[in-house]
Amino acid sequence: AQSVTQPDIHITVSEGASLELRCNYSYGATPYLFWYVQSPGQGLQLLLKYFSGDTLVQGIKGFEAEFKRSQSSFNLRKPSVHWSDAAEYFCAVGASLETGANNLFFGTGTRLTVIP
Amino acid sequence: DAGVIQSPRHEVTEMGQEVTLRCKPISGHNSLFWYRQTMMRGLELLIYFNNNVPIDDSGMPEDRFSAKMPNASFSTLKIQPSEPRDSAVYFCASSFRGHNSPLHFGNGTRLTVT
Repeated sequence: AQSVTQPDIHITVSEGASLELRCNYSYGATPYLFWYVQSPGQGLQLLLKYFSGDTLVQGIKGFEAEFKRSQSSFNLRKPSVHWSDAAEYFCAVGASLETGANNLFFGTGTRLTVIP
Repeated sequence: DAGVIQSPRHEVTEMGQEVTLRCKPISGHNSLFWYRQTMMRGLELLIYFNNNVPIDDSGMPEDRFSAKMPNASFSTLKIQPSEPRDSAVYFCASSFRGHNSPLHFGNGTRLTVT
């Protein structure tokens, strides 16, 4: 069965510092992996996705993530955090359903606080 | 592209009342999903549709919950009767089927049942 673990519930970083959010997944086949960001009162916005190919993927807002099959991980990184990055971040693994539709299994999220 | 549109943004109702949440998916998308988000359980898939047909409703918590998609541009999630434990944020999302395209989420409906 598919599952996603985000071990850090809450992370606090200083503005300008680097960031890494951890994500581990469990999936029997080649996973489709996603990172979403949710600002307060908003829906989830896609940051980046991995389907195949280069294991280092670039996303919006300066974020990147690296797929490591041997570690079953897909950690999100940003070299320099901005105050506007404060939000909730969700890692998700996609499962191709029998019908061809795609469902996502979400982690429990990591809340990022950015201090000046 | 207006994105996925959900209404209302907030709903406050009394226990026992009927609640209807609405969703307009992105034009051209043929898969639609309803999720529920709570602090305790995170994001849970309730039901999804392909080409307006419900495919899997195993995530619907009880018979009090029902969802319909009468056409490609509209879906509803109904709770009747509502209970305080139904209080949550309900998200609708849409995507293209079979293209491994990511889900596009609406801004959600925050439901409070008193």
